[in-house]
Amino acid sequence: EAQVTQNPRYLITVTGKKLTVTCSQNMNHEYMSWYRQDPGLGLRQIYYSMNVEVTDKGDVPEGYKVSRKEKRNFPLILESPSPNQTSLYFCASSHTGTGPDTQYFGPGTRLTVL
Amino acid sequence: AQSVAQPEDQVNVAEGNPLTVKCTYSVSGNPYLFWYVQYPNRGLQFLLKYITGDNLVKGSYGFEAEFNKSQTSFHLKKPSALVSDSALYFCAVRDPDNTGGFKTIFGAGTRLFVKA
Repeated sequence: EAQVTQNPRYLITVTGKKLTVTCSQNMNHEYMSWYRQDPGLGLRQIYYSMNVEVTDKGDVPEGYKVSRKEKRNFPLILESPSPNQTSLYFCASSHTGTGPDTQYFGPGTRLTVL
Repeated sequence: AQSVAQPEDQVNVAEGNPLTVKCTYSVSGNPYLFWYVQYPNRGLQFLLKYITGDNLVKGSYGFEAEFNKSQTSFHLKKPSALVSDSALYFCAVRDPDNTGGFKTIFGAGTRLFVKA
């Protein structure tokens, strides 16, 4: 089954404790992306990757890191989480081809930073 | 930079009536426009997209959207709403960067309530 998986689905942590949220897709997609969803703000893009070893900042990259060492994986790293990073996070992937294709979204990770 | 606006936080419609969820955009160059839907406690699902061609785009679950270049709008429509259409709807636009890649800009979302 074609899918984007994220782990963990729920996470409660404390300020300053480094964490990683994993994202994996099995569709051989070139494009992968991380978003955060906050009430009234919609989805805001954190980082995106056009392909392996190519990453770029989205609109809200501060406090986050990513890496794209393999095509299928795109982990999101919070080196020193703060309460303002409490949010619902989504990973997504798509083909790029001759233009932007539809994005497939993971189920989401709800993060609470105390 | 590109931008997307969804002017209504919420849309209420009775079952069986037509529905419209509004989206306006600001782009430089050709727009690539998308609609996604989010059901409670779920990720986003693709509904439809406009890249080029016919201004009326048909998508999943009976939804369609009309691209209007002069009004810079891409409103989502359905002729007859179902209670099961109640969800959060997002409009999105591609925002090219300067290295051949692209960001994705989402609107704030519109919550649709369909009443039986």
